[in-house]
Amino acid sequence: GAGVSQSPSNKVTEKGKDVELRCDPISGHTALYWYRQSLGQGLEFLIYFQGNSAPDKSGLPSDRFSAERTGGSVSTLTIQRTQQEDSAVYLCASSRGGAGSYEQYFGPGTRLTVT
Amino acid sequence: GESVGLHLPTLSVQEGDNSIINCAYSNSASDYFIWYKQESGKGPQFIIDIRSNMDKRQGQRVTVLLNKTVKHLSLQIAATQPGDSAVYFCAENNSGYALNFGKGTSLLVTP
Repeated sequence: GAGVSQSPSNKVTEKGKDVELRCDPISGHTALYWYRQSLGQGLEFLIYFQGNSAPDKSGLPSDRFSAERTGGSVSTLTIQRTQQEDSAVYLCASSRGGAGSYEQYFGPGTRLTVT
Repeated sequence: GESVGLHLPTLSVQEGDNSIINCAYSNSASDYFIWYKQESGKGPQFIIDIRSNMDKRQGQRVTVLLNKTVKHLSLQIAATQPGDSAVYFCAENNSGYALNFGKGTSLLVTP
């Protein structure tokens, strides 16, 4: 079946502009995660959605970052007034959710470059 | 603070040899551990996982060992192949959802 998809695959933007990154999780997965991966680094947790519950935003680095998940499926990560330090690969993952369901399936990521 | 780290940033092995990638964790409350493989330009791909009530788990050509006494995790890859060249991440879970990732080990398989 289809895996997690993300768009765009690459995004180059000027400093100060807003960007939107999209994630389509695996159908039926109730949990959705956003991570950020800087060059040569591990993954940094940003935000987590589970069903209709309030999202866990504890990993968002600043109030310029926000995310939505509409209809329990597609998610959009928005970065306002982008800064050069926002340049990274933004990865989305989904899982079946629920107790003990930890395995997360990742999308290919969106490479964001802020010039 | 709590952290997940890797002992070696890079590992070079000859094709056909066995590879061992190590990982240390500091949160004794972690109850789930997972290894991911990430090839260039792709998202992380699940390899194998293990829960804290186990010491060892085997998959196809891969084995994960968990030593809770010293908070150490390892990934063993048997008969390493060129296609195994990638960055390998260990991750832990202790809060039910987000994974805490280490920085990764780059595995290079030479002919």
